[in-house]
Amino acid sequence: KQEVTQIPAALSVPEGENLVLNCSFTDSAIYNLQWFRQDPGKGLTSLLLIQSSQREQTSGRLNASLDKSSGRSTLYIAASQPGDSATYLCAATHNAGNMLTFGGGTRLMVKP
Amino acid sequence: GAGVSQTPSNKVTEKGKYVELRCDPISGHTALYWYRQSLGQGPEFLIYFQGTGAADDSGLPNDRFFAVRPEGSVSTLKIQRTERGDSAVYLCASSLGAGQGNTGELFFGEGSRLTVL
Repeated sequence: KQEVTQIPAALSVPEGENLVLNCSFTDSAIYNLQWFRQDPGKGLTSLLLIQSSQREQTSGRLNASLDKSSGRSTLYIAASQPGDSATYLCAATHNAGNMLTFGGGTRLMVKP
Repeated sequence: GAGVSQTPSNKVTEKGKYVELRCDPISGHTALYWYRQSLGQGPEFLIYFQGTGAADDSGLPNDRFFAVRPEGSVSTLKIQRTERGDSAVYLCASSLGAGQGNTGELFFGEGSRLTVL
């Protein structure tokens, strides 16, 4: 059974810092890995999707990497802004079907 | 519509009552998923539909929970004899189905917040 873990559970940084959120998974036989953002009381917004054959994906100030062999993914946020404050969730998709297994999330607070 | 639509956005009910939550996926998406999210935790898988059939219902916690998707589009999650522990946000997602050469990206609705008193 796939297990996804995110470290740290919470993170507070001053505005402007570069930061890294970590995600690890136990079963390397994944179809893809997705990073989501969730604002309080809201649904999930997809940020980046890395297919199993890819090593990384970039969107603006966000960069996500994937290392299947070690069961790890990282989300790098450059020049953090207060508007980046949210919970960030990673989720691995199984090979069979597209069911996602989520980590517990990292609650990020960027202080002005 | 342009995105996944879920209704109601909020539902308050009493213990023992029956509840239905509705999900309208993105047009053309054959795969539909229900997840449940408790406060401070990541979403947990409940059930996955490919077309009209439930391809995987291994996440349903017990037989009080049931979901249908009779025409392969809108889905309804049904909860019988609700308990306080059922209180959570129920999230629906859709995607292009497996085997269609898609990336497998899921698109989520805003969720239905269920509170059982």
